[in-house]
Amino acid sequence: AQSVAQPEDQVNVAEGNPLTVKCTYSVSGNPYLFWYVQYPNRGLQFLLKYITGDNLVKGSYGFEAEFNKSQTSFHLKKPSALVSDSALYFCAVRGTGGGNKLTFGTGTQLKVEL
Amino acid sequence: GAVVSQHPSWVICKSGTSVKIECRSLDFQATTMFWYRQFPKQSLMLMATSNEGSKATYEQGVEKDKFLINHASLTLSTLTVTSAHPEDSSFYICSARDHGAASYEQYFGPGTRLTVT
Repeated sequence: AQSVAQPEDQVNVAEGNPLTVKCTYSVSGNPYLFWYVQYPNRGLQFLLKYITGDNLVKGSYGFEAEFNKSQTSFHLKKPSALVSDSALYFCAVRGTGGGNKLTFGTGTQLKVEL
Repeated sequence: GAVVSQHPSWVICKSGTSVKIECRSLDFQATTMFWYRQFPKQSLMLMATSNEGSKATYEQGVEKDKFLINHASLTLSTLTVTSAHPEDSSFYICSARDHGAASYEQYFGPGTRLTVT
């Protein structure tokens, strides 16, 4: 069975500082990895994905994530946080071993303060 | 880009009544749609996978007779919560897979807030 772990329920960071939201995964076969952001009472917005190729993936709004196969991690990063980045972030994985299911992590609430 | 809409965006219904939620792919054909449920401050839990023209596949623990899913066309799937109870109150989110795109692409709707009184 595939799974995703987001070890931090909340991450606090000052505006202008770099941010990292952690994600580790477990899946059979090669992983497809995704990051989504959710604002209150809204659906999920796609940020970025890793399918194959370069381990460093760049996405929307200045976010990037690094795929690390040996550590089975896919941490989300941004060099300089904005207050408007405050939201709920979900990491998700889908294995290539069959099936269409995305498995989501429990989410990390990011709070960026002035 | 690929857009998925949901209607209504929020609904309040009385206990014992049924409510239907629509999920539409606006600019692509979706052979597969997914229905998720999200409780406050929790992750998305997959309820069922809906394939156009066939019966939905429900996840373990999801009552198929309570959560009726119909995927009658390539652009529309509906979720009907039958005989709703207050514990069915939740945020329901659908997603759709583009028939013409890579199999890993999924596009999410904005969600429907259901409150059962």
